[in-house]
Order: sequence, then C-alpha cells, then structure tokens
Amino acid sequence: LAKTTQPISMDSYEGQEVNITCSHNNIATNDYITWYQQFPSQGPRFIIQGYKTKVTNEVASLFIPADRKSSTLSLPRVSLSDTAVYYCLVGAPLNAGNMLTFGGGTRLMVKP
Amino acid sequence: EAGVTQSPTHLIKTRGQQVTLRCSPISGHTSVYWYQQALGLGLQFLLWYDEGEERNRGNFPPRFSGRQFPNYSSELNVNALELEDSALYLCASSLFLAGVDEQFFGPGTRLTVL
Repeated sequence: LAKTTQPISMDSYEGQEVNITCSHNNIATNDYITWYQQFPSQGPRFIIQGYKTKVTNEVASLFIPADRKSSTLSLPRVSLSDTAVYYCLVGAPLNAGNMLTFGGGTRLMVKP
Repeated sequence: EAGVTQSPTHLIKTRGQQVTLRCSPISGHTSVYWYQQALGLGLQFLLWYDEGEERNRGNFPPRFSGRQFPNYSSELNVNALELEDSALYLCASSLFLAGVDEQFFGPGTRLTVL
C-alpha cells in the first residue's frame, strides 16, 4: 500500500482558498487518489477522487502532477463549516480490495 | 435512500467481556468495511467483507472477527475486551460505479471499555 504524508494541521480564514497537499512517493500504476472529510464523532465523507491531471466537482478540485507522487486538494472559499479533518488515501479501486489505509489526516481550522 | 446504519450508538463494557457491533449497508452495496478509530487518531482498517466472504484483514489480533450475512449486513465481534479497544468503530459500504470508488460511512459505534 502506498504511504501518504499530509500536514498535521492547517489554519485558514473564511472566504479563502485552501490547498492541502498529500505526498505519496511510492504510488503504484493502478492506484487512485481519494480524499475524505471527517467531522468529530462522524464517519468520513467522500470528497473527490482522481487518477491524474485535474478533477473538479461541486465542492473541491484535485490536482495531480504528471509524476503522481503528490496531490493537492483545493477547497475554494472555505467557510466555518469546512473545519474538519481531511484524509488522503491512495490505493487501487475498492473492488480490488486495496484502498484500505487512511493516514493521520490534516486538521483544518477555518477562522472567522 | 437510507444510508449505512450501525447499532448500538454507544456501548460500555468491562475488560474481558465480549461485544457485537452491527452494520447495515446501503441497499445494493455488497461490500462492508470495518474500521477502528481511537480518540484523536486516524482510521485503522479492520476487516473487509464482500458477498459473504472475508476478503481482507487489517493488523488486528484474532479476537477481532466478524461475518457478513446473505442480506449483506455485517457483525463485528470483539472478544476478551481490553482497555485499548475503546474507540469509535465505523462501518462503511461501497459501490464501484462509473469509475469512481466511494465508501459510505455509518455514524459509528462508540465503545468504551472500563
């Protein structure tokens, strides 16, 4: 399984764009990159998933450089409700049984 | 559509006891995953069940076990409870659809071992 490294914590202010970078130097060819969000005492919630280049949905963007050894989750114009822990996962699709490891996550604190 | 449900919500046990946690996946999902999250820590993978079979197991002792029923619901059993088993136990179900993998998590069961 590819090991991921994320910052332990980040602070931001309402309305700012937040970028959280995840390093995964030994990512395998068939690995995807997925980000989850978790609020206290709740289960994680899927944010976005990608394989290469850029993926965008209604809540976030995911930037993956050509070498795929890192990825950046971008949250546009954060609000107080975006305060949460963000997890980066790297692994093959679930139906291959490999995407099973959550790292320590990045604790994002959004301030007014 | 109902999400993943787990029961009970909270549980208090003493050392040495046994506990059974239950999970019902989203309708149509055949895979169920169990995770342990100790207070303030990340998620640790416990078990993966698919189509009634155990497909993968995390680095946990054999006293952690489970099963998946024909209706795809699942149980997690923990025998000989230890203090360090106190944690939030999360269940997730998944569906690989249109090239996107997504795990849907339940609210968890908070287990306290005294």
